[in-house]
Parts: sequence; C-alpha cells; structure tokens
Amino acid sequence: AQSVTQPDIHITVSEGASLELRCNYSYGATPYLFWYVQSPGQGLQLLLKYFSGDTLVQGIKGFEAEFKRSQSSFNLRKPSVHWSDAAEYFCAVAAMNRDDKIIFGKGTRLHILP
Amino acid sequence: DTGVSQDPRHKITKRGQNVTFRCDPISEHNRLYWYRQTLGQGPEFLTYFQNEAQLEKSRLLSDRFSAERPKGSFSTLEIQRTEQGDSAMYLCAGSRGPNQPQHFGDGTRLSIL
Repeated sequence: AQSVTQPDIHITVSEGASLELRCNYSYGATPYLFWYVQSPGQGLQLLLKYFSGDTLVQGIKGFEAEFKRSQSSFNLRKPSVHWSDAAEYFCAVAAMNRDDKIIFGKGTRLHILP
Repeated sequence: DTGVSQDPRHKITKRGQNVTFRCDPISEHNRLYWYRQTLGQGPEFLTYFQNEAQLEKSRLLSDRFSAERPKGSFSTLEIQRTEQGDSAMYLCAGSRGPNQPQHFGDGTRLSIL
C-alpha cells in the first residue's frame, strides 16, 4: 500500500527566501504524485502533479517539484516566497492508473516572516 | 473557484443526531469523491462515484455513513447517529475522469456537541 511522509510539520521562512518542502513516498512502482495547498477554512488546490515523463514538474504560483526515484522523494520548491504562500501543503500519492484513490500526507504548515 | 460547492459550510449537532451534507460539482465532473479531514491530518479517502455508480468505499465508511449520487450530478453524504469522533471537515472533490485533477470544494465542518 502507498504511504506518504512529510517530515516537517511546520516550516518558517522569510518573505523573499527560497523554500523547499520535503516529501517521501512508499510505493513499489512508479506512483502518481501530487502537491496540494490548503488555506485556512478552505478546500485543497492542486499545485502540480507528476504522472510520467520529465521529473521536474512546473506548477502554478511559481512552484516546482522534482521526482527522484532513487530517493523516493517529491520535494516542492519555490525560489522566492510571498506572504500569500502561507498555508498548509500536502503531498499525495496514488498508484499508477488508480488516481481515484489518493493518499495524502499529514501536511506541512508554512509560515512566512515579513 | 473550482466550481465545486458544498452545503452547509458548518454544521453543529448533538451526538446521536443524523446529518446530511451536499456536494454540487460542475456538470463535467463525471467523478465525485468524498474525503474526511481531521485536525492536523491530511484528507482521508471515504468513497467515490463514477457518474451515479459508487465504485469504491473505504473501511473508514462505517455502516452509519451512506453516500449517494442519484442522477450523476450532486451527491449527498449522510451520517446517522453521529458520534464525537465524526467531528471533522468533510471535503468533496470532482474530476472529469481518470488521470484528471481533482477539484475540491471548501468543505463542510461538522462539530458534534
């Protein structure tokens, strides 16, 4: 069965600084991978997804993520954060061709210092 | 705006009461998903529909829970005889089909007194 680990519960960065949120997955084959963002009291918004092909995936809002099979990782990055990026970020995994059943990590809350 | 609306946004009820939530995706969303999210956790899959057919149910979905999508459009999630542990955010998502992104509504927050 698939699982997702987000090792950092909270991350604090200064506005304008670079960001990397870590995600490790467990799955026997090449999975489908996702990053979602959730603002307080709201639903989730898809930032980017990886199904196949180029392992560096570009998403919305200036985010990107890199799939590294050897490390079972799918870390999210942004070169320069904005105060509006403060939110909770969820990494998620699904079995190939089973994107109907997405397994989410516990999330990383991002705090931005002015 | 994802086009997925959920009603109500908040529901407060006493333990033992029945509650029903509604989800309205856009017409192109052939698939509809329900998730539950508790504090400090990511969403957990409950069930999903392909049009009006309920194709999979999680073990989290006890016999007190029932979901329907009668005409393949809106969906309802009912919880009977609510318990304290049912307090959570219930999220609905729609997608256009396999390998298409899931678009989430803002959720219904359920509080059990």
